[in-house]
Amino acid sequence: AQTVTQSQPEMSVQEAETVTLSCTYDTSESDYYLFWYKQPPSRQMILVIRQEAYKQQNATENRFSVNFQKAAKSFSLKISDSQLGDAAMYFCAYRSTTSGTYKYIFGTGTRLKVLA
Amino acid sequence: DTAVSQTPKYLVTQMGNDKSIKCEQNLGHDTMYWYKQDSKKFLKIMFSYNNKELIINETVPNRFSPKSPDKAHLNLHINSLELGDSAVYFCASSQRGTDSAYEQYFGPGTRLTVT
Repeated sequence: AQTVTQSQPEMSVQEAETVTLSCTYDTSESDYYLFWYKQPPSRQMILVIRQEAYKQQNATENRFSVNFQKAAKSFSLKISDSQLGDAAMYFCAYRSTTSGTYKYIFGTGTRLKVLA
Repeated sequence: DTAVSQTPKYLVTQMGNDKSIKCEQNLGHDTMYWYKQDSKKFLKIMFSYNNKELIINETVPNRFSPKSPDKAHLNLHINSLELGDSAVYFCASSQRGTDSAYEQYFGPGTRLTVT
């Protein structure tokens, strides 16, 4: 069974600085999707970034980028030029592409605090 | 337009009552989910329907019963509510075979408080 681990329950970053959130996962599959979701205090779950396992190139979305290390089963999120609005819970998630599989596996989350 | 909507957003009720939470998505997705998020923010999948067919049914008390009248709606009915049912319940949807394949879109959540 697949698992997703976020080993940092809480992280802090100074405004305008860069922070990296860690995520590791365990799977025997070769093709899958990985996601980072953001949950601000409003509790709405917002997709931040997506990575397809078959793509070697790391995904980027403006100030957000990932470091995807398939062999190491690592999927970290880098937030550059941190802003106060980045303060939220961040969840890493795994999704198999195996036909008939519909389950998403979420990590336990990392709470990010942004200091002014 | 709201992509995934849930009603109500807040629900306060007493132990032993029966309540329902409704979910609707206007994205044309074929798969919908219910998640429970506890006080420690852990997201646990409860159920999933694909084209109105139940495909995921995790270890959830049978007091919880999902119903999908059509592929745009997935409702959650809870009987005999208990204190431990207090949580935020999220509905989500996804669609395979598109450019945004496998992305889940979440509703705003329903905060259920059982007193």
